Amino acid sequence: QKEVEQDPGPLSVPEGAIVSLNCTYSNSAFQYFMWYRQYSRKGPELLMYTYSSGNKEDGRFTAQVDKSSKYISLFIRDSQPSDSATYLCAMSDYKLSFGAGTTVTVRA
Amino acid sequence: KAGVTQTPRYLIKTRGQQVTLSCSPISGHRSVSWYQQTPGQGLQFLFEYFSETQRNKGNFPGRFSGRQFSNSRSEMNVSTLELGDSALYLCASSFRTGDTEAFFGQGTRLTVV
Repeated sequence: QKEVEQDPGPLSVPEGAIVSLNCTYSNSAFQYFMWYRQYSRKGPELLMYTYSSGNKEDGRFTAQVDKSSKYISLFIRDSQPSDSATYLCAMSDYKLSFGAGTTVTVRA
Repeated sequence: KAGVTQTPRYLIKTRGQQVTLSCSPISGHRSVSWYQQTPGQGLQFLFEYFSETQRNKGNFPGRFSGRQFSNSRSEMNVSTLELGDSALYLCASSFRTGDTEAFFGQGTRLTVV
């Protein structure tokens, strides 16, 4: 079993929809939880990171962490075609452990 | 402020050869981590260097090695290349080891034929 599980999708939504992404993990040592966005032929770009359980908002993005359930989520409101990318969750103890990434397409 | 620079962007090598990839971190960043990204395994941690010392290492064979110079630039080397080494190799730079804000370069796409 992988330390971080993420459904690779793909996920296709119409413009303006809410995109919901999630990951589960097994390592209780993970302290920081991050979401990266990766466009084709580019390196991952850090979107958000959180430390504690709860919600964190940044514009159209909301990250949720539930440490008791070992479950994290990312919500994208009012999705735009420019949000089409692969979204990777990542978790940190002494290194970053990544999920497989979910490929999201937002249809205009 | 310049981002993380990886060179070369693309590389084609033959089985059995060796290859060296380069990463220049963001100015002021002293930690450089290397990752391998493949469709089947996703992003996997190779190793991290901080202040010219390897601080952490992932589960890769000894054919994969690296080093860091006094200016924080880092190189990774893969010897005796195998077809399975074909991947996107990414480096990430951060201010210090264990930093949550890691910034990735665009990667080096290595194809082994």
